[in-house]
Amino acid sequence: AQSVTQPDIHITVSEGASLELRCNYSYGATPYLFWYVQSPGQGLQLLLKYFSGDTLVQGIKGFEAEFKRSQSSFNLRKPSVHWSDAAEYFCAVGHNAGNMLTFGGGTRLMVKP
Amino acid sequence: SAVISQKPSRDICQRGTSLTIQCQVDSQVTMMFWYRQQPGQSLTLIATANQGSEATYESGFVIDKFPISRPNLTFSTLTVSNMSPEDSSIYLCSVFQPVSGAGSYNEQFFGPGTRLTVL
Repeated sequence: AQSVTQPDIHITVSEGASLELRCNYSYGATPYLFWYVQSPGQGLQLLLKYFSGDTLVQGIKGFEAEFKRSQSSFNLRKPSVHWSDAAEYFCAVGHNAGNMLTFGGGTRLMVKP
Repeated sequence: SAVISQKPSRDICQRGTSLTIQCQVDSQVTMMFWYRQQPGQSLTLIATANQGSEATYESGFVIDKFPISRPNLTFSTLTVSNMSPEDSSIYLCSVFQPVSGAGSYNEQFFGPGTRLTVL
C-alpha cells in the first residue's frame, strides 16, 4: 500500500528566508505526486504535481518541488517566503492520475516577521 | 477547474443532534467524495457518493453514522448523526475533473470545508 510521510509537523521560518518542506513516499511503481496548501478557513489548493519527465516541477506562488526516486522524496521548496505563505501543506501520492490520493500528515508553516 | 461550495461553512452543535452538510459543484461529476479532517490531522476519506446508487464507505465509517445523499450529478449531502465531541472536525467535499490538454489526467478539487464543533 502507498503511504506518505511528512516528517516535520511544524516549521517556523522568517519572512524572506528560504523554505524546504520534506515529503517521503512509499510506493512500488512510479508515483504521481502532489503538493496541496490549506490556508486557514480555506479548502485545499493544488500547488504543483509530478507525473513524469523533468524531476523539478514548478508550481504556483513561486513554489517548486523535486522528485528524487533514489530517496523516495518529493520535497517542496521556495527561495523566499512571504507572510501569506503561512498555512498547512500536504504532500499526496496517487498511483494513477485521477485515482484517490493518499495524504501525508501535513506540515504547518509559520512565518515570522 | 471545478468550483465547489459547501454549506454551512461552520457550525457549533450540541451532543446527540445531527447536522447535514451540503456540497454543490458547478459541473456534473460521476463521483463525489467526503473527507474528514480531525484537528491537527490529515484528510481521511469517509465515503464515495455515486449518483443513483448507495455510497461506498471506507473502513471505520458506517452509513448509520454518516448517511449520504446524491440526488443528482452536481449535489450531495453528508449527515453527521448523533454527534459527539469526537465528531468535531472539518468535513470536505471533493471531486475529480479532467484537465484539458493533459490526456487522461483528472485533478482532484476540494470544497472550502465545513468546520464542525460539537459541545
